Amino acid sequence: GQQVMQIPQYQHVQEGEDFTTYCNSSTTLSNIQWYKQRPGGHPVFLIQLVKSGEVKKQKRLTFQFGEAKKNSSLHITATQTTDVGTYFCAGGGGKLIFGQGTELSVKP
Amino acid sequence: DAGITQSPRHKVTETGTPVTLRCHQTENHRYMYWYRQDPGHGLRLIHYSYGVKDTDKGEVSDGYSVSRSKTEDFLLTLESATSSQTSVYFCAISESGRGRYNEQFFGPGTRLTVL
Repeated sequence: GQQVMQIPQYQHVQEGEDFTTYCNSSTTLSNIQWYKQRPGGHPVFLIQLVKSGEVKKQKRLTFQFGEAKKNSSLHITATQTTDVGTYFCAGGGGKLIFGQGTELSVKP
Repeated sequence: DAGITQSPRHKVTETGTPVTLRCHQTENHRYMYWYRQDPGHGLRLIHYSYGVKDTDKGEVSDGYSVSRSKTEDFLLTLESATSSQTSVYFCAISESGRGRYNEQFFGPGTRLTVL
């Protein structure tokens, strides 16, 4: 069946450093969504990408959808302690398939 | 946050007992989902509903059943709980199942421990 792989599983950074998480699908995706889950919380929707090669920005966060619509990335510039949490990608049309998530910790 | 509540928020039960988790929404969204979250596995879909009395299986549906008799309520039942079903369960809702409005809004979660 369809699989969505996400790397790395963990990332520890110093505050101010950049962070990137990558998402790869075994099949072409109709869209990709990104969610953030704070420690002890629930996943919260960040963004959806639909078009091949699409790039969207939200302040320090940059989201990309690959040309073949099989991969995506989330890049955070100059991380802050408020960025701590687990970032999930999720792909698919009807039933979303979630990646395993990347847990980001930020050292002040 | 979207109007989604889950009950109970925490539950400890014994192997072999039935357990029902409830998800309630006030957003009148058509789609509702049950996920389980385990370390290293992300979120895995158990069952979902695309309307009243319309449900379908997800990737980890064995040992679980669901019911949706009203738009606002989606119940997840473990007929005979096992220790492998110890997990955090999230309910989610979405306006549509695909396309522009299929972003999902999650409830606060239920932590279930099966001893």
